Amino acid sequence: DIQMTQSPSSLSASVGDRVTITCQASQDISNYLNWYQQKPGKAPKILIYDASNLETKVPSRFSGSGSGTDFTFTISSLQPEDIATYYCQQYDNLPYTFGQGTKLEIK
Amino acid sequence: EVQLVESGGGLVKPGGSLRLSCAASGFTFSSYSMNWVRQAPGKGLEWVSSISSSSSYIYYADSVKGRFTISRDNAKNSLYLQMNSLRAEDTAVYYCARGRSYRPAAPFDSWGQGTLATVSS
Repeated sequence: DIQMTQSPSSLSASVGDRVTITCQASQDISNYLNWYQQKPGKAPKILIYDASNLETKVPSRFSGSGSGTDFTFTISSLQPEDIATYYCQQYDNLPYTFGQGTKLEIK
Repeated sequence: EVQLVESGGGLVKPGGSLRLSCAASGFTFSSYSMNWVRQAPGKGLEWVSSISSSSSYIYYADSVKGRFTISRDNAKNSLYLQMNSLRAEDTAVYYCARGRSYRPAAPFDSWGQGTLATVSS
């Protein structure tokens, strides 16, 4: 199985800060990497697909980059409504594995 | 608007069975792959199973292979997950999610609200 390692596991930042989360795959997954946002008590929501493509209607402060084994998710200016847990997920190989999540809190 | 509504969760004893359903609307159901993803209480997301648009390709996580069966009825715009021989570790919120393609390997671009399955004596 491909292991997806996210860091950090939790993060506290201030409104307006630039926030970066990384995701490392245990083997090359090309660009088959998605980022999801999950707010407490809610279903996940896709934000970025295929490593760097912004999902329709998702604010442009969210972005993704990377290919191969190393990926980055960035929020350019943190907003209060961005409080959530963020997950990366690979779909290059079965099983389609998720990272362990990054819980983002407001400082 | 894409809508996915899960049902069928509940409390079941170890060794028992549950059948989850996911009713889809707002898109051409028969053109998209579908998936089940679960989340144990306080834990992360775990992919469970995927099915292609025409049911030609079906995949399972090792943790559920041989116990769970995914299926779909394109005439009824519905996805199912038959869960047998349930264990305590199957306790989770189960989400259905649409794949952005006819084939299973695709981003999960729409999710239902989830249904809770609790396995306990």
